[in-house]
Amino acid sequence: QVQLQESGPGLVKPSQTLSLTCTVSGDSISSGGYFWSWVRQHPGKGLEWIGYISYSGNTYYNPSLKSRVTMSVDTSKNQFSLKLNSVTAADTAVYYCARVVRGMDVWGQGTTVTVSS
Amino acid sequence: EIVLTQSPGTLSLSPGERATLSCRASQSVTSDYLAWYQQKPGQAPRLLIYGVSSRATGIPDRFSGSGSGTDFTLTISRLEPEDFAIYYCQDYGSSYLTFGGGTNVEIK
Repeated sequence: QVQLQESGPGLVKPSQTLSLTCTVSGDSISSGGYFWSWVRQHPGKGLEWIGYISYSGNTYYNPSLKSRVTMSVDTSKNQFSLKLNSVTAADTAVYYCARVVRGMDVWGQGTTVTVSS
Repeated sequence: EIVLTQSPGTLSLSPGERATLSCRASQSVTSDYLAWYQQKPGQAPRLLIYGVSSRATGIPDRFSGSGSGTDFTLTISRLEPEDFAIYYCQDYGSSYLTFGGGTNVEIK
């Protein structure tokens, strides 16, 4: 059974870089056929797609965040990562990682990131 | 970039009733790559429907999806107490995986 688990700091200072990692267990991230995505949810709001990456490193980002987002994949650790730079309070949200095949069929439990000094 | 508009914003129904949720796209969804998710408070979303009408693993058959082109519907034939939640549609047919704004199905 495939499982995803987000990890990273729960508190980030304004103007700094938010860095999160998603660890995949139960399957190889290199097995192909999937994309690996990040989604966030502001408090009390809907879902916002951030971007996704293939195991080979091809990336697609939400145009509204593209200038600040970088995703990467580490096949040796079976992980993929998100970096969001120049964060503000508006980036405070729950961040989810998810596997994309026919829709997002496997999700992590989510991790709350607060941007505050 | 496709914009997905869900309606109504809130649906107030009683257990046992039928729920009909709408998702309208600003342009045709590629290859019927339209999904529906359920989210309960404090939980991650759960995939219900992919490819417009295919149920994901373990999803009860009271959930069904239909539609084509720009108009899509999620139907819950008889609401169970555990079905009261927020539902999102998503286009995954383009390079941008857009979500709709959600429909909150609440207990009347």
